[in-house]
Order: sequence, then structure tokens, then C-alpha cells
Amino acid sequence: SSELTQDPAVSVALGQTVRITCQGNSLRNYYASWYQQRPGQAPILVIYGETNRPSGIPDRFSGSSSGNTASLTITGAQAEDEADYYCNSRDSSGNRVVFGGGTKLTVL
Amino acid sequence: EVQLVESGGGLVQPGGSLRLSCAASGFTFSSYEMNWVRQAPGKGLEWLSYISGRGGTIYYADSVKGRFTISRDNAKKSLYLQMYSLKVEDTAVYYCARDLRGPNDFWGQGTLVTVSS
Repeated sequence: SSELTQDPAVSVALGQTVRITCQGNSLRNYYASWYQQRPGQAPILVIYGETNRPSGIPDRFSGSSSGNTASLTITGAQAEDEADYYCNSRDSSGNRVVFGGGTKLTVL
Repeated sequence: EVQLVESGGGLVQPGGSLRLSCAASGFTFSSYEMNWVRQAPGKGLEWLSYISGRGGTIYYADSVKGRFTISRDNAKKSLYLQMYSLKVEDTAVYYCARDLRGPNDFWGQGTLVTVSS
């Protein structure tokens, strides 16, 4: 099995840069993906394969990784970025998906 | 337009069974791997199960292995989750998701399952 750890809550001033992190041993072997979930809505993928943005995702969202830590960076946070953010990866078998506990982002 | 529409949720007693469906449209369903993910009220996301495009490869989370069964009918463009021996802690919104973690990742809006006596 594998665990991914995220800070429960992070805040950022409007227009500033924020980094949301995800820690876990599986990140040494498998890429992280990142999801945004607004209240009452289904999650939306914002980063896949550690650094790639799906079509339609603003370029203020970027992903990176180092060792056992993956990061989602929002450069110039907007009010509409206020949401819960989840990382995911794979477990040690590579067959199962694991999610982090989520980070609630508040844009001040 | 790509759509995934879950159905089949509702209120069920502990120990009961329920079958969820996910109807796909707007894409070639058989070409995509599919997953079920759930979210308990006020909690985070939990991956449950994976099925390959032709249904030949299946994986489950330990929390549901032996109680839940994933399947698909490519002719009907539908994904299913048969749930047995339901527990109170299975109460959640259940999402189907296409190409999880991939560039064509897409989720339905979910269906609520409530397990309560």
C-alpha cells in the first residue's frame, strides 16, 4: 500500500503564488496527478504525468516533483482557484491508485 | 460532448446490495480504461476499482475487494459497480471516471449511496 500526505489547508493572497505539496514514497516511482474540486462538483484534472496540463487548464497551474514530494504551483492565484486540491499516484504494486487527503485552498 | 452519467444510488440498509451504472456518450467507450472513485460526505477521494477497455484486467482497493464487482458492457457503453454487503462506511458519492490520471481524464457528476438503517 501507499500513502500520500497533503497539508489540510493553505491560503494565498489574490494574485500571489502558492505551492501545494504531496508527499509519499510512491512518488519516487510513479508520477503524480492533481485534481481541483469545487464545492458540489466533480473533480477536474489540472496536472497529469507530474508536469502536463490537460487541454483547457490555465497555464498558471504547473506541476513539479523532487524525491518523494510532488508539488502543484498556482502562479497568480485567482478567486476561482479557491477549491480543494487532491494529488494521486499509484501504490507500490503499480496497479492501484491512491489519493492524498486533499488541501483546501483559500484565496484571500 | 463527452458525458458520463452515474445512476443507481439511493438508500440501502446495512448488509444490502446495490448496482451502480455509468452511461457513457460522446466518445469511443471501448477504447478507454474506466474507474470508480468515491467520496464520503465531507471527506477526500478514495479510488475503488479499475477495468481495462475490454474488461480483461480488473483491480480493486482492499477496502472493497470481495464485496464490490466492476464490469462493463461496451455494446451498451456502460460501466457498472455491483456492491454487496454494504456498510455504513460505504456511504458516499460514487463517481465513474475515464482514463484516470491520463490526458483524457473525465469524471461523471456522481451518484449518492447512503447506507443506513
